[in-house]
This record gives sequence, structure tokens and C-alpha cells, in this order.
Amino acid sequence: AQSVTQLGSHVSVSEGALVLLRCNYSSSVPPYLFWYVQYPNQGLQLLLKYTSAATLVKGINGFEAEFKKSETSFHLTKPSAHMSDAAEYFCAVTTPSGTYKYIFGTGTRLKVLA
Amino acid sequence: EAGVTQFPSHSVIEKGQTVTLRCDPISGHDNLYWYRRVMGKEIKFLLHFVKESKQDESGMPNNRFLAERTGGTYSTLKVQPAELEDSGVYFCASSPGPNYGYTFGSGTRLTVV
Repeated sequence: AQSVTQLGSHVSVSEGALVLLRCNYSSSVPPYLFWYVQYPNQGLQLLLKYTSAATLVKGINGFEAEFKKSETSFHLTKPSAHMSDAAEYFCAVTTPSGTYKYIFGTGTRLKVLA
Repeated sequence: EAGVTQFPSHSVIEKGQTVTLRCDPISGHDNLYWYRRVMGKEIKFLLHFVKESKQDESGMPNNRFLAERTGGTYSTLKVQPAELEDSGVYFCASSPGPNYGYTFGSGTRLTVV
């Protein structure tokens, strides 16, 4: 069985500060991992994905994440927060077989302070 | 390219009524998924279509939920009769394959009163 844990349902950072959103996963087989962002009244947008290639993955809007197998982590980072980054972020895991259904974390709402 | 379209965006119905949600995937995407987020909880898988066939419906809560995908194009999710606990946001997503990730629609917010 797979699972995802996102530590911190709410995270606040100052504009210009480092953004770090944590995601730990559990999977008995090599996983695929994703980060999605949801802005108000919009659908989920893919930020980046890990599909067993490079462990450091760069995504849109300056975000990146590193797959660390030894730590079962896939934390999302951005060096400098913008006000426009305020949104809810979801980490998800799946396996490259079967239906590829996602197991989502509970989400982290990011607030950016001026 | 057009994205994944869901409608209605909001629906408020009374307990016991029927509601049908619709999803139009990206053209050419064989894989179509339905997910649901109940307030404050995680987004949960409901079911997966490949073209018109149900590949996995293990997440469907009970037999009050019926999903169809006509001709491998758009999909509908019917809830009949609706219960209070069915309230939440229903997301549809489509994908050409596992290495691409999903493209999600904006969701349908269903409120059962």
C-alpha cells in the first residue's frame, strides 16, 4: 500500500524567503511522485514530477523537488517566495503499473506575507 | 489545446435528489479519472477509465454512484440519491499515459443540503 504525508497543513513565509513544503511517502515499489498546486477557484496544476529519471526535478514557477529514497522524501522548495505563490500544494504518489491512480497528501496551504 | 472541462462548477441539491456531473477530457487522452475531496480531507480516487472501459472503480463509495464514459469521450458521474456526506469537490483528470501526469479540471463543488 502507498501513502503520502504532508507535514504542516498551513505554512507561512515572508516574501523573498525560502519556501519548503514537506512530503514523505511510503511505497513498496519504486514510486512516481508529483507536486500539484491549486489556486483559488481553479483546478490542480502540475508543478513537477519524478518518474525515476533525475532525482532533482525542476518544475514551473521556479519550484524544484529532490527525490531522496533513503529518506522517503520529496520535499518542494523555491528559493524566493512571491506573493503569487500563495495557494494550496498537494503531493501525490503512484506506481508505474496498473491504473496509475494517485494517492494524495492532505495538502499544505502556503501563505506569503508581505 | 483545450483543457479538461467540468460542469457544473457548483451544484446545490437537496438530500435524496439526483445530480449528474460531467467531464470533458482533453481530446486524445484515453485515461480519465474521477477524484473527490471532502472538506478538510485528502483528495481521494474514485475511478479510472481507459477509453470507454472502467479499469478501476475501487474508490467508488457505494452503489449510489454511477460513472459512464460514452464512446471514450466525455464522462458523467451520477449520484442517486444524494446524501449529505456526498458533499465535496469532484475533480476529473485526463492523461495520455503515466509519465505525463494528469491534467485536472477545475472541479465541481457539490453541496447536499
